[in-house]
Amino acid sequence: KAGVTQTPRYLIKTRGQQVTLSCSPISGHRSVSWYQQTPGQGLQFLFEYFSETQRNKGNFPGRFSGRQFSNSRSEMNVSTLELGDSALYLCASSLEGQGFTQYFGPGTRLLVL
Amino acid sequence: GENVEQHPSTLSVQEGDSAVIKCTYSDSASNYFPWYKQELGKRPQLIIDIRSNVGEKKDQRIAVTLNKTAKHFSLHITETQPEDSAVYFCAPRGATNKLIFGTGTLLAVQP
Repeated sequence: KAGVTQTPRYLIKTRGQQVTLSCSPISGHRSVSWYQQTPGQGLQFLFEYFSETQRNKGNFPGRFSGRQFSNSRSEMNVSTLELGDSALYLCASSLEGQGFTQYFGPGTRLLVL
Repeated sequence: GENVEQHPSTLSVQEGDSAVIKCTYSDSASNYFPWYKQELGKRPQLIIDIRSNVGEKKDQRIAVTLNKTAKHFSLHITETQPEDSAVYFCAPRGATNKLIFGTGTLLAVQP
């Protein structure tokens, strides 16, 4: 099976702009979770989508949003970008959710200038 | 809220030695305890996990032990090899059904 893929792999934006990141899960996986990874804060949970519904969310401001499509592909959007949003954004898919093995994608590295 | 601590933050061992990383969590309702390995520039990968009804699990050179009473679980790597060098994260799942990642342990295996 093909692994989890994320696009784009690298992105440079300026403050105030918005960005959309995409994640394609492993075929058959219904759960997609998003994480932000930074040197200072480590790996932090953003949200989880399952069958097109947000099932869980972390402690991030409303500027961070996401959605999941009927084919389980997921997108996350960050509006009004801030310098502190610079990070590696990882998505992970699993069969049923957070209690199952998370298979991570390669990540999208976002730099906000 | 949930609190997860990992110790040590860095660990340097000689090839062939054993390494132990401890993860302490605060949520007594936690019921799933995975360990992830992230090599430099790569994605995290699950290396072993354990559920709350089991005290220990072993997979070749890797083992995880769980002490639910004390609310900690540990990763044990025996006969370490240079390719074990990476950052290791614990990520217990608590009552909120979210994986809460620890701050990571950088393991360096010296040849």
